[in-house]
Amino acid sequence: DVVMIQSPLSLPVTLGQPASISCKSSQSLVYSDGSTFLNWFQQRPGQSPRRLIYKVSNRDSGVPDRFSGSGSDTNFTLKISRVEAEDVGVYYCMQGRYWRTFGQGTRLEIK
Amino acid sequence: EVQLVESGGGVVQPGGSLRLSCAASGFNFGSNVMNWVRQAPGKGLEWVSHIGGSGNLINYVDSVKGRFTITRDNAKNSLFLQMNSLRVEDTAIYYCATLNLRLPDFDYWGQGTLVIVSS
Repeated sequence: DVVMIQSPLSLPVTLGQPASISCKSSQSLVYSDGSTFLNWFQQRPGQSPRRLIYKVSNRDSGVPDRFSGSGSDTNFTLKISRVEAEDVGVYYCMQGRYWRTFGQGTRLEIK
Repeated sequence: EVQLVESGGGVVQPGGSLRLSCAASGFNFGSNVMNWVRQAPGKGLEWVSHIGGSGNLINYVDSVKGRFTITRDNAKNSLFLQMNSLRVEDTAIYYCATLNLRLPDFDYWGQGTLVIVSS
């Protein structure tokens, strides 16, 4: 089974400052067609999760451009260039190469 | 507008059964993979099960194999999760979700239905 490890698990950030979350998979997430199936989700308090990023670096519509995804193979990163109050919540990476597996989640809070 | 609406949650004793349903609308349900994801109180997301568009390609997380069964009725745009031999550790909010991997702006989640397993 593929294991997804996120760090840090807790991320206190000052408003306007950048934030970065790492996600590492136990196996390569590259599919035979060259696609890499790594998504990022945001879950705000009391809400269902919402996808931010698919295939490593593609932002969904309505996702602010301060969010960006990068990485390859087994190492991935979600970056927020300037944290805003509405970004508070828990962020999850998810692999889709071998069924689905979520990371443990990273709780972002305002310092 | 795409909607996923779960139902069927409730309180059940250990060893009991529940059947969750997810009613889908607003997209071509039968052409899409569907998943169940759960979230225990105060915990993270856990993928539970996956079913292909035609009802094939079924898989489960190890902890529910042999106890849970995922099915779908494409004629009724509905997804189901039959949960038997429930354990205290199955207590969670259960979401149905598309968890699409390739398409932009195509990832949908329901509001979730709460399952509590307690004596």
